[in-house]
Amino acid sequence: QKEVEQNSGPLSVPEGAIASLNCTYSDRVSQSFFWYRQYSGKSPELIMSIYSNGDKEDGRFTAQLNKASQYVSLLIRDSQPSDSATYLCAVGGWGAGNMLTFGGGTRLMVKP
Amino acid sequence: EPEVTQTPSHQVTQMGQEVILRCVPISNHLYFYWYRQILGQKVEFLVSFYNNEISEKSEIFDDQFSVERPDGSNFTLKIRSTKLEDSAMYFCASSDGTSGILITDTQYFGPGTRLTVL
Repeated sequence: QKEVEQNSGPLSVPEGAIASLNCTYSDRVSQSFFWYRQYSGKSPELIMSIYSNGDKEDGRFTAQLNKASQYVSLLIRDSQPSDSATYLCAVGGWGAGNMLTFGGGTRLMVKP
Repeated sequence: EPEVTQTPSHQVTQMGQEVILRCVPISNHLYFYWYRQILGQKVEFLVSFYNNEISEKSEIFDDQFSVERPDGSNFTLKIRSTKLEDSAMYFCASSDGTSGILITDTQYFGPGTRLTVL
């Protein structure tokens, strides 16, 4: 059974700082990795996906993937109070319609 | 921007009653999913649906659950006889099916239906 682990937090950072969120996964054959943001009482909102080892940047967000270590991370630069939310790591397998396995999420608090 | 919609936003029901949760996936998407999130817990996969049949389901998706695409736009989740432990947020998601056989599609989530079983 696939497991996806995240530190539940809260991770508290000052406004303008870099927030670093981490995720490990158990299934070595996993190929697809996603970061979602979830505000309290709301649905997961896609931030970005990553499929290859290395870094992928999108605006203030950078996802990092290391398949050998089964580790994926999300960096948020210039953190804003509006970034305060729970960040969910999700892992997919092979094939277009494969299910996602979610971690429990890390709660991020950005203090003004 | 196209989005997944769900109705109702909140459903309250008595234990043992049947409920139907409705979703309208993004119009050109081919895969449809249901996930649930019990308060304070992880988002859990229930079922995926493609080409008018279930393609994958979890252990949670037992005989009490069923899914249907009754027409060209709606996708429904039916719970036949609700239990207290079915109380959760239920999220519908859809994906376009273009990622191929090696990687998983990006899945876009609807706003959810909060189901409360009394």
